[in-house]
Amino acid sequence: EIVLTQSPTTMAASPGEKVTLNCLASSSVSYMNWYQQKSGASPKLWIYGTSNLASGVPNRFSGSGSGTSYSLTISSMEAEDVATYYCLQLSSYPLTFGSGTKLEIK
Amino acid sequence: EVKLVEYGGGLVQPGASLRLSCEASGFTFSDFYMEWIRQAPGKGLEWIAASRNKANDYSTVYSASVKDRFTISRDTYKSILYLQMNTLKPEDTAIYYCARESYTTDYYYYFDYWGQGVMVTVSS
Repeated sequence: EIVLTQSPTTMAASPGEKVTLNCLASSSVSYMNWYQQKSGASPKLWIYGTSNLASGVPNRFSGSGSGTSYSLTISSMEAEDVATYYCLQLSSYPLTFGSGTKLEIK
Repeated sequence: EVKLVEYGGGLVQPGASLRLSCEASGFTFSDFYMEWIRQAPGKGLEWIAASRNKANDYSTVYSASVKDRFTISRDTYKSILYLQMNTLKPEDTAIYYCARESYTTDYYYYFDYWGQGVMVTVSS
């Protein structure tokens, strides 16, 4: 099983601040997907294929990485970005999610 | 418009069975892989089962935590995805989501549509 370790677990950023969320895989994966989940809501596809933004995702978001190390970056934090972000690998079964990074605003 | 609507959750005692349903609309159900994912209260997301598409004979895959207790299946005429859950344990308490799996021409796979989720509580 591929274990995905996300860091940090929780973080708070000021409006306008650059934010980087990390996802480390225990084995190499072909690409990474990211999901945004707001409190009480279903997860939403946010980034797929490592760096492709899902429909409607603001372009202040970006994704990068390869092999075992992936990241999601927000170039300028906004209040609406408050959520928990999960990475997900579909390279091999069992499919696995990271434990999530809870992003708050200062 | 793609829609996924789950139902069938509730409160059950340990050892009991329950069947969840996920009604799909707005797309050709047989063309897509479908998934069940759960989220225990205050916890992260856990993938638990997949039903491949018609081209792959609707074959199934399970996580170790539910294998031999849960069964994923489909009614292709009604476009409904099921999750039959047997021998339920308190640790199965969670919100259960169904999701559609899509892919790009570059063969990036992803869960693009999710249902609203249905709560299952296993407690005596």
